[in-house]
Amino acid sequence: EVQLVETGGGLIQPGGSLRLSCAASGFSVSGTFMSWVRQAPGKGLEWVSVIYNDGSSYYEDTVKGRFTISRDSAKNTLYLQMKSLRVEDMAVYYCASIGYFTPDAFDVWGQGTMVTVSS
Amino acid sequence: DIQMTQSPSSLSASVGDRVTITCRASQNINKYLNWYQQKPGKAPKLLISAASSLQSGVPSRFSGSGSGTDFSLTISSLHPEDFAVYYCQQSYSLRWTFGQGTKVDI
Repeated sequence: EVQLVETGGGLIQPGGSLRLSCAASGFSVSGTFMSWVRQAPGKGLEWVSVIYNDGSSYYEDTVKGRFTISRDSAKNTLYLQMKSLRVEDMAVYYCASIGYFTPDAFDVWGQGTMVTVSS
Repeated sequence: DIQMTQSPSSLSASVGDRVTITCRASQNINKYLNWYQQKPGKAPKLLISAASSLQSGVPSRFSGSGSGTDFSLTISSLHPEDFAVYYCQQSYSLRWTFGQGTKVDI
């Protein structure tokens, strides 16, 4: 069964750092595009970052320079390192594959992990 | 970035109603348009890809159409489990963007 499970969310003060993990099963995180999408409380979906098969990565403008996406093939896990966190980064963070089953679509999603940024 | 605008933002409907949600892109995206359904406390679920391709397991009462800048999602006859928030998303640009969502409630 294809599955993604996020962990690592929690309460963090503004300016702090946090690392999210997304463990994959049933497929390889290195074999497809992988992404993070977030959803602030009561708001819509926002793409955050993507890592391609070749290892290249891209970021939404407001997180560029603060967030880093990476993956560990041996652990089959995707990561999002978040630094200099702001109140506006508070959201549920989902990892998702792009194009594993369906080209150009977020087709497999994790259950999400909540990041709360508050003093 | 490509802006995606959905309308309406919310709608009230009854079981059995036909419902149509529209999505407009700020520039031509051909058919690089996907639709997702999200229920409270759950991750989004891909319903339709490439504007009109129904995903496996998704009921046939869901359909998508459009190309270029104007798209629509239609539910031909609402079932109780269809009350949710629906999002469109463009994959033309590799800076993916979503619409703001349309809440379908009773």
